[in-house]
Amino acid sequence: QQQVKQSPQSLIVQKGGISIINCAYENTAFDYFPWYQQFPGKGPALLIAIRPDVSEKKEGRFTISFNKSAKQFSLHIMDSQPGDSATYFCAASMMGSQGNLIFGKGTKLSVKP
Amino acid sequence: KAGVTQTPRYLIKTRGQQVTLSCSPISGHRSVSWYQQTPGQGLQFLFEYFSETQRNKGNFPGRFSGRQFSNSRSEMNVSTLELGDSALYLCASSLEFGKNEQFFGPGTRLTVL
Repeated sequence: QQQVKQSPQSLIVQKGGISIINCAYENTAFDYFPWYQQFPGKGPALLIAIRPDVSEKKEGRFTISFNKSAKQFSLHIMDSQPGDSATYFCAASMMGSQGNLIFGKGTKLSVKP
Repeated sequence: KAGVTQTPRYLIKTRGQQVTLSCSPISGHRSVSWYQQTPGQGLQFLFEYFSETQRNKGNFPGRFSGRQFSNSRSEMNVSTLELGDSALYLCASSLEFGKNEQFFGPGTRLTVL
């Protein structure tokens, strides 16, 4: 049972454009939602994270939007750059099991120059 | 501050053998989680350790085990290797048990022939 569904599977964006990746979750006990960026041959790197009491969080060019009622959250990458080309994973965890991150399947982003 | 280190980085084993992977968390971090990453199943949680005790366990067979030492370093062991165990094994550390932010190492690429 996949508890976090991520879309799209792949995404091609022009340099300077906005990249949008969406995730939906089922378990209302989730209370922490991070996004990770992974380059080939590397481990995932924490980008930005949000808790359900906040509807939006912004760090530089990265923004998480969170819709608790719809059980959805998304990552927006503004002014996308070729260096942003990587695989992005959304994840979720719940109180008492914070070390257990449940990941989406990933989105491979390609930013064309 | 040095990041999470994992050794070895690459490993080739044959079916039926066993393997031990090592993880050194970020200095001062006391909680360690392990994940398996495959193209088909994505990132899946194996287990989490804190204070030398397993705190959470994912849905993997008993062939997968782990332990944590008093200096917070962790090892995971896979016995009776199967072809399907070929994967990238990732270790992540966090400051304390119950702290959400997890920081991943580069992983150990295990190939089972």
